[in-house]
Amino acid sequence: AQSVAQPEDQVNVAEGNPLTVKCTYSVSGNPYLFWYVQYPNRGLQFLLKYITGDNLVKGSYGFEAEFNKSQTSFHLKKPSALVSDSALYFCAVICTWTGNQFYFGTGTSLTVIP
Amino acid sequence: ETGVTQTPRHLVMGMTNKKSLKCEQHLGHNAMYWYKQSAKKPLELMFVYSLEERVENNSVPSRFSPECPNSSHLFLHLHTLQPEDSALYLCASSQVGGPPSSYEQYFGPGTRLTVT
Repeated sequence: AQSVAQPEDQVNVAEGNPLTVKCTYSVSGNPYLFWYVQYPNRGLQFLLKYITGDNLVKGSYGFEAEFNKSQTSFHLKKPSALVSDSALYFCAVICTWTGNQFYFGTGTSLTVIP
Repeated sequence: ETGVTQTPRHLVMGMTNKKSLKCEQHLGHNAMYWYKQSAKKPLELMFVYSLEERVENNSVPSRFSPECPNSSHLFLHLHTLQPEDSALYLCASSQVGGPPSSYEQYFGPGTRLTVT
């Protein structure tokens, strides 16, 4: 079965410090991996994706993610956190042979402390 | 968020009511989705309309009924709901059948549903 795991429900980081939000995946075949962010009372917004190519993927708002095949991980990172980064972050994997169905993690709530 | 719009944004309904949620996408996509988002749970995919074909999710109760009159519009008809159906209902769209680089889904702001 295809799945993603976000082991941390909550991550707190001080403003200006680097942040990491963790994600591991389990898929059959090549993984297509995504990160989404959700601000309060809003829908999910696409941040970045890994399809193929460079393991380090850059996305919106200064975020990046590193695909690590040996560790089956796709952690989201940012060198310097902003208070405005506080939100709910979702990792997702897509299964292309079931109609491109997305499998989302349970989400990680990021709080950036001023 | 103008790409995918949802109405209403908030809805309170009794268990005997009938209501409908509406979603419209302005992105020219050929697939639309309904998700249920409950606290501390993964997003639950409820229904998919892909290339105008409906993909069933047998775990969704029959009190939820989707309708997709065309590739731009999607409805979720609700009747005799239960309090546990209270959640944020998200609509999304995507382009399927193309290269993997186009697989991301675009979400609407959601409808916050409360069943009393």
